[in-house]
Amino acid sequence: GENVEQHPSTLSVQEGDSAVIKCTYSDSASNYFPWYKQELGKGPQLIIDIRSNVGEKKDQRIAVTLNKTAKHFSLHITETQPEDSAVYFCAANGNKLVFGAGTILRVKS
Amino acid sequence: ETGVTQTPRHLVMGMTNKKSLKCEQHLGHNAMYWYKQSAKKPLELMFVYNFKEQTENNSVPSRFSPECPNSSHLFLHLHTLQPEDSALYLCASSSYAAGAGELFFGEGSRLTVL
Repeated sequence: GENVEQHPSTLSVQEGDSAVIKCTYSDSASNYFPWYKQELGKGPQLIIDIRSNVGEKKDQRIAVTLNKTAKHFSLHITETQPEDSAVYFCAANGNKLVFGAGTILRVKS
Repeated sequence: ETGVTQTPRHLVMGMTNKKSLKCEQHLGHNAMYWYKQSAKKPLELMFVYNFKEQTENNSVPSRFSPECPNSSHLFLHLHTLQPEDSALYLCASSSYAAGAGELFFGEGSRLTVL
């Protein structure tokens, strides 16, 4: 089955800097890669997703890149703000959705 | 305001108790899910229901018993739990199960087993 590894587990950045979270997956049949953000006391919420026919997708300060050959995808957050502090989960969907272990992002002001 | 509502938000129970978690979605979705979230671990899928029918049971112990009376409501009945079952239990819904579409999560029920 699918296995998703996510790094780093914790990331601290200064406000205004960029943050990058990386994930690898094992199932070459996976074709959908969402990213979820979980704020304290809340459930995860989809922030961006990418499908296997696209290499990059942007939404304002957030972007996701996908390298199907390397089975690797990344989340990029530019101009980080304190409200970006949260736990971020990547996931990959082969025959079912499998999540990474999460990255705690702390943005220091 | 979330379209997926979970109650109770917090629950403390002894190992011999029987309790239930409730989830309700107001999004018109056809699929509902239970996930277990433990610290520093990936979200663990427990059960999937599609059009009220269970389509996945991810080797969950029988002390967890799901119930889906209709596409809007999902329950997780708990009995004779173990301390290691303490976790945040998240309910989610989506348009259809096993599709490459967005999951909408509730805020979770924090369970503590003494």
